[in-house]
Amino acid sequence: DIVMTQSPDSLAVSLGERAAINCKSSQTVLDSSNYKNYLAWYQQKPGQPPKLLIYWASTRESGVPDRFSGSGSGTDFTLTISSLQAEDVAVYYCQQHYSTPFTFGPGTKVDIK
Amino acid sequence: QVQLVQSGAEVKKPGASVKVSCKASGYTFTNYDINWVRQATGQGLEWMGWMNPNSGNTGYAQKFQGRVTITRNTSISTAYMELSSLRSGDTAVYFCARGRRDSSGREYFDSWGQGTLVTVSS
Repeated sequence: DIVMTQSPDSLAVSLGERAAINCKSSQTVLDSSNYKNYLAWYQQKPGQPPKLLIYWASTRESGVPDRFSGSGSGTDFTLTISSLQAEDVAVYYCQQHYSTPFTFGPGTKVDIK
Repeated sequence: QVQLVQSGAEVKKPGASVKVSCKASGYTFTNYDINWVRQATGQGLEWMGWMNPNSGNTGYAQKFQGRVTITRNTSISTAYMELSSLRSGDTAVYFCARGRRDSSGREYFDSWGQGTLVTVSS
């Protein structure tokens, strides 16, 4: 199984400032035949299901604000929120969708400083 | 709009089984996989398995093999997840999620049900 890790466990950022979350996979999630990285990011607010933000490591889902961006390749990835808004307070999970069993990172909690 | 509506909360005794439903609307049910993911209180997300509603083909995480069964009724656009031999560690919120596949056959989860709390307690 591919093991996903995230750092930090939590972070507090001032409104309007940048937040960055790191995600690492225990093996590559890059498909060299199509150059796609099979890494997704989800946002989960309390009492709600997860919401897809990013797939293929850097493709933003329709309707997701452009302050959310994903980067990275192979085994190392980053989710960046360029200007934190109050509504971005949530737990963020990365997930590899390269192979089953699909596995998630442990989550990173983002709060307002 | 795409919606996945799940059945209500359940309380079960250890050793029993639970069956959770997930009714899809707003899209063609047989065109997208349904996955099941669970989340214990205050914990992370754990993928359990997937089903292709068109073929009925399924795949399960090794951890749940032999205990989980995912089925569907295409006439009512509904998927089901049944988990047997329940124990206290199965207490969690169970989510269904629609899987969107790309040309490689891999999928990510673009819509989620609201979740169903299953409590296992004697």
